[in-house]
Amino acid sequence: GENVEQHPSTLSVQEGDSAVIKCTYSDSASNYFPWYKQELGKRPQLIIDIRSNVGEKKDQRIAVTLNKTAKHFSLHITETQPEDSAVYFCAASSKAGTALIFGKGTTLSVSS
Amino acid sequence: GAVVSQHPSWVICKSGTSVKIECRSLDFQATTMFWYRQFPKQSLMLMATSNEGSKATYEQGVEKDKFLINHASLTLSTLTVTSAHPEDSSFYICSAKKANTEAFFGQGTRLTVV
Repeated sequence: GENVEQHPSTLSVQEGDSAVIKCTYSDSASNYFPWYKQELGKRPQLIIDIRSNVGEKKDQRIAVTLNKTAKHFSLHITETQPEDSAVYFCAASSKAGTALIFGKGTTLSVSS
Repeated sequence: GAVVSQHPSWVICKSGTSVKIECRSLDFQATTMFWYRQFPKQSLMLMATSNEGSKATYEQGVEKDKFLINHASLTLSTLTVTSAHPEDSSFYICSAKKANTEAFFGQGTRLTVV
């Protein structure tokens, strides 16, 4: 089955800096790669996603890149703000109807 | 986006009792729902895939007789934790997917077994 590795587990940045979180996946059949932000005790919130027919996607300060050959994808947050502080999870799924498999998460701390 | 509602949001039960958690898709039909468990400061671990009208598919290491899943309709899946023990205390989250789209998560259920 699918296995998703995520790094780093913790990341501390200064406000205004960029943050990058990286994930690798094992199943070459995976074709959907979302990123979630989770605040303590709450449900994961989708922040951006990418499908395997696209190499990069951007939404304001957030971007995701995908390298299918290397089987890795990354989340880029620019101009970080304190409210970006949360736990971020990457995930992957192989086809419609199958479950998302999550990475272990990255705790991002943005200090002002 | 679509709405998935989970109930209850939190529950405290005595060791040895059973607890039922409901997951409803409020504005779409979900032929498949998923149940995850999340321990403190850990990731979401897939427990099982719930298919409407058929038996759930459990992940390796998840006891199907302890975590009973029923998906009786296209909008409702239930997870029953039977004979709960303190080690079952966790955050349980369901999700549902519309065909080939993102997954929508319930708000989660904080289970505490005392």
